[in-house]
This record gives sequence, C-alpha cells and structure tokens, in this order.
Amino acid sequence: GQQLNQSPQSMFIQEGEDVSMNCTSSSIFNTWLWYKQDPGEGPVLLIALYKAGELTSNGRLTAQFGITRKDSFLNISASIPSDVGIYFCAGQLGTGTASKLTFGTGTRLQVTL
Amino acid sequence: DGGITQSPKYLFRKEGQNVTLSCEQNLNHDAMYWYRQDPGQGLRLIYYSQIVNDFQKGDIAEGYSVSREKKESFPLTVTSAQKNPTAFYLCASSIPKPLSYKNEQFFGPGTRLTVL
Repeated sequence: GQQLNQSPQSMFIQEGEDVSMNCTSSSIFNTWLWYKQDPGEGPVLLIALYKAGELTSNGRLTAQFGITRKDSFLNISASIPSDVGIYFCAGQLGTGTASKLTFGTGTRLQVTL
Repeated sequence: DGGITQSPKYLFRKEGQNVTLSCEQNLNHDAMYWYRQDPGQGLRLIYYSQIVNDFQKGDIAEGYSVSREKKESFPLTVTSAQKNPTAFYLCASSIPKPLSYKNEQFFGPGTRLTVL
C-alpha cells in the first residue's frame, strides 16, 4: 500500500522556536488529517482539513490543505517541551463511513530547553 | 467516559501460537479498523469493518483474521501464518456520518505484541 512522503523525518529544535513539516503525495486526497503520537500510545487527532486551500488552526498549531490536493503542511508556533512526539499526516480519498486512510512516515520532533 | 480500549497493553507469545487482541469502543461508531506499526514507520491497515458482520482486508491482511459480531467490538487474531508478528497494534473507529464527507478516525492506546 502507498505511504505518504513526510519531511523532515526528524528535527531538534529549541523551546520557543516555530516548527514546520509537510506531507506530499502522488495522488490527490479529499481529506488531510494530522495526528500526534507519544511513545507507546495511540495517535491523537490534532487537525482535520476538508477543502483544498483550507487553513485551520488549533491553538499553536496551524495546518493547510494544499491547493493541488496532493500536499499538506503543519506549523507549530512557540514550541514547548510537551510538543515532543511523532507527527503523522494522513490522507483520505473516499467518503462514507469507512474510507481508508493513507499515513505518512512521520516526523519525530524533539524539543530542547 | 467514552473511548476506545485495547487490552492488554503488552502481550508476549511463543512462536507458532495464535493470539487475539481485544478492541472495544463505546462511542457508537459504525466503522472500526486495525493497524500495525513497526519501529520508525507509519501505520499500515490490516482490516477494517464498516458495519456489524462485515469486514474487508486492508493492505497487509495476510496472517491475520477478524470478526465483527457486535458494534462495540472488533477483535484481531494474529495467526501462526503471520511471518513477523512482533509489532505495535492499533485499533481505531470513526464517526458514522453517511451524509457527510467527514471521517475522522480515533485511536485506542495500542497493544505491543512480542513473539518470542
């Protein structure tokens, strides 16, 4: 099955810095989702995007649905230590009650004081 | 307090033994999913179910089996035919919105299976 290309794979940043990561696909999607996973836990949904060009915020997080429908971006402003974790993007093409998600390979974020 | 529960958190089995992982949800979600996660990788879909008594293979179904006898439960059996079963297994469910394009999946805490 296809996996989305996510970059960067990992990043070290200092507390207070802004973070940017992106996800690209060779296929178009109707929905983009961004999840965060802490070690040994299940992913938690951060932001959902449903329209090309859509820009959505959730606190210090901002995500955008690329206009081509083949990419998405997640920005974290003023990072704090609890932002540490792995961030996954996921794309969805179909509609209905059980449309499959295609996941990115993840961006591992580490924040230093 | 609604959510998705997976048990146990850690599971050890000997090679050649079948093992069943539990997934229960009280969110009244119609659709449920099983994913496998290997170190440093994303999630890969094993099986999914849109409704009770119905399920479909995902991308890596070989060596796995599922059942969906109740809306709340979607157990996954890892059989001896699965060549590399040691992994982190995640169950998810999604909101039933047949008239909407939204289908946000929510995940359980996961079960880490180690086959010795």
